[in-house]
Amino acid sequence: AQSVTQLDSQVPVFEEAPVELRCNYSSSVSVYLFWYVQYPNQGLQLLLKYLSGSTLVKGINGFEAEFNKSQTSFHLRKPSVHISDTAEYFCAVIAGGTSYGKLTFGQGTILTVHP
Amino acid sequence: DGGITQSPKYLFRKEGQNVTLSCEQNLNHDAMYWYRQDPGQGLRLIYYSQIVNDFQKGDIAEGYSVSREKKESFPLTVTSAQKNPTAFYLCASSSRGGFTDTQYFGPGTRLTVL
Repeated sequence: AQSVTQLDSQVPVFEEAPVELRCNYSSSVSVYLFWYVQYPNQGLQLLLKYLSGSTLVKGINGFEAEFNKSQTSFHLRKPSVHISDTAEYFCAVIAGGTSYGKLTFGQGTILTVHP
Repeated sequence: DGGITQSPKYLFRKEGQNVTLSCEQNLNHDAMYWYRQDPGQGLRLIYYSQIVNDFQKGDIAEGYSVSREKKESFPLTVTSAQKNPTAFYLCASSSRGGFTDTQYFGPGTRLTVL
């Protein structure tokens, strides 16, 4: 069975600073990886996903993530954050070969951007 | 304008009562899902359905029931057997339910048991 660990429950950062949200996964088979964002009292919105090909994936709102198979990581980065990026971010994984797309989520990282 | 709607946004229930949460999608997706979100625990899968008239239990199905009579609708009933139902409930859908299909989420229903 697969699992996802988000290494930081909260990340405070100042506006215009870079940020990295860390995600590690474990799985015995190939995986497909996702980052979602959730604003307060709302549903989740897909930021980006890795299915195959280039290990550097670009998403919406200037975010990007890099798939590192040897370190089983999929860290999310943004070079310069805005106040509007304040939200909770979830890393999720689907194991290949399963009969359906069961997403396994990490515990979430709350990003707070200070002025 | 395609998307997923959930109603109500907020729901209050007395202990011992069953309540039903609505989820409707007009994306023409085959697969639909229900997740429960608790602070610091991420999202956990309650039930999923890959096709009309068929559904499967997820990781935490005890105390919940679902139906899938129409492609666009996947209501969730929280029964009195669910011991700790206060949570944020999210419905999602994907085109075919395959492992490369993106899941799209509704805005959620916050259930509080009084």
